[in-house]
Amino acid sequence: SYELTQPPSVSVSPGQTATITCSGNNLGRKYASWYQQRPGQSPVLVIYRDDRRPSGIPERFSGSNSGDTATLTISGTQAVDEGDYYCQSWDSDTGVFGGGTKLTVL
Amino acid sequence: QGHLVESGGGVFQPGGSLRLFCEASGFTFSSYGMNWVRQAPGKGLEWVSFIGYDGNIKFYADSLKGRFIVSRDNSRNTLYLQMNSLRPEDTGIYYCAKDPTEYGSRGWWFDPWGEGTLVTVSS
Repeated sequence: SYELTQPPSVSVSPGQTATITCSGNNLGRKYASWYQQRPGQSPVLVIYRDDRRPSGIPERFSGSNSGDTATLTISGTQAVDEGDYYCQSWDSDTGVFGGGTKLTVL
Repeated sequence: QGHLVESGGGVFQPGGSLRLFCEASGFTFSSYGMNWVRQAPGKGLEWVSFIGYDGNIKFYADSLKGRFIVSRDNSRNTLYLQMNSLRPEDTGIYYCAKDPTEYGSRGWWFDPWGEGTLVTVSS
């Protein structure tokens, strides 16, 4: 079965850039999406189709996808960005999530 | 964008069955595919199932081994998940989430999500 691998945790200082990676075999040939989940809340889509931002998502969120790696970048990270982030794609009509990355803003 | 509300969760015995519901509003439910996603306590997200806009296409996670059945009633704007032969590892929050593509025949991404309903399988 297809797997997506994320680092368990990423730490960043306020105002700095946070980078979260998601690795999967030939992921660049598929669409990658990203979700933010704050404690006790439902996931929220922050990036879809590799690099598109839904309405209402701040411009500091951006995405890319090439080769085997999709990347979520948060520029000028704020304390409100703390939470768990999940990448997601599809393979053979099966939805797949990465294991999640806990973002800490120190 | 739409609004989704799940219900039907609770405490259930191993080996038992239950049915989850997801009521949709704010969009043309009959035009969009829908998904179920679950999250075990303290764990990550796990995709469970996708159903096409008219109910004719259904996909499931291999790990479910035929125990779950997804269905929908477009006249009631409601999505269902029938869960059979329950196991303790089925414990978690179950979310429904809308697929973005009108009249699509496969899944893409999930937006929006409901607030989820908690299922606990324990004797």
